[in-house]
Order: sequence, then structure tokens, then C-alpha cells
Amino acid sequence: QVQLVQSGAEVKKPGSSMKVSCKASGDTFSSYAFHWVRQAPGQGLEWMGGIITIFGTVHYAQKFQGRVTITPDKSTSTVYMELSSLRSDDTAVYHCAGSPIYDTNGYYSNNAFDIWGQGTMVTVSS
Amino acid sequence: EIQMTQSPSTLSASVGDRVTITCRASQSISDYLAWYQQQPGKAPKLLIYKASDLQTGVPSRFSGSGSGTEFTLTISSLQPDDYGSYYCQQYNSFSWMFGQGTKVEIK
Repeated sequence: QVQLVQSGAEVKKPGSSMKVSCKASGDTFSSYAFHWVRQAPGQGLEWMGGIITIFGTVHYAQKFQGRVTITPDKSTSTVYMELSSLRSDDTAVYHCAGSPIYDTNGYYSNNAFDIWGQGTMVTVSS
Repeated sequence: EIQMTQSPSTLSASVGDRVTITCRASQSISDYLAWYQQQPGKAPKLLIYKASDLQTGVPSRFSGSGSGTEFTLTISSLQPDDYGSYYCQQYNSFSWMFGQGTKVEIK
């Protein structure tokens, strides 16, 4: 069973960048896609983007295009999410989540998020 | 991008009630629809995938149905531990967009 462990809470200044990490345990790093989902205080879940590490493909939500970058480090089974030009409304809990990339027949398939990290609180404040 | 719309935004029900939450997609997503439960301070938990498949370990009082653009999550008999927010999510295309959520309160 893959588990996801995220980096700790951060406080950032407006206009700066943040970089959060998500380390996957187990030996299934290549059989999952990894995503970033954020949740502002009192608000809903917002998908930011995801990476399919075995294919090297990355997909971003239109809202975050140009401001978010998701990268993998296969040597450490870690995925990073960097968000630039931070604003106060980027204050949120950032979750890493994983979705299996193969269906029961062994073919590629998009799937739901069956594993989640513990979340990382990022506060943007001057 | 495909947009997901849930209703209602909030609901209050008693233990034992049958509860239904609806999710609509802005275009057809076949059955690539998931439902999650999130309780305060916790990460979301997958309940249903492929519109109607129950995730391992999830109680059978939860069920999902629908295809195309209309989907429902049903809790057959609401239990005290079912409080929290519920989210639908589509994963038909290379985007995994969520609905805005439904907050479930126990009377």
C-alpha cells in the first residue's frame, strides 16, 4: 500500500513562491499518478494539476496554468509542487493525492484518488 | 474544462434517513465519476469510483448511480459518523475536477 508523506507547514510573503513535497512509500511510484489538490479555509476541494510519472506527462487546471509546476524525483519517489506569485488567497491546505494508472486489465486508465497525504498548510501573509 | 455542479449545498437529516446528493457534469463523462467524504481536519476519503463501485472498506449503505452527465450518491440509512462534506469528481479527461461540495449535518 502506497502512503504519501508531505512536507511541513510554511508561511510565505505575497509575491514569493512555495514548493511542497510529497514522498511516496512502497515500490509503486511508477504505477500511480500524483496530484495536488488545495482547500482554502472553509472552502471546497480544488484540483490544481497532476503528473503521470511513468509517462512524464503533466496536466494542470486552467486556473493555475503558468503559475504551478509539478515535478518528480524518481530517485526518491517524491513529487514536488511549486506555486509562484503567491497571493493572500493562496492561503490553503495543499494535499497530495494518488490515483492508480492501470485498470484491472493492465491498460492505462484515469482513476479516482485512493490515497492522500496528510496535507500541508501554507499561509501567505505580509 | 468539464465543470461539476452538486446539489444541495447543505442538507440536514436525522439518523436513519435516506439521503441523496446529485452531481451534474457540463458534458458527458461516461462513468468516470467518484465520490469522496471529508470530515473536518481530515483528508478526503474515497467512497465510490466508476460512478457505482464501492471502495474497499466503505459501508454498503453508501451507493452511487448514474452515467453521462447525471449522478447520485445515496446513503440508505444515515449514521452519526456520516457527517461531513461530500464531493463528486470527474476523471474522464486529463483533468480531475471536483464539484463544490455538499455539507451533511446530522439533526
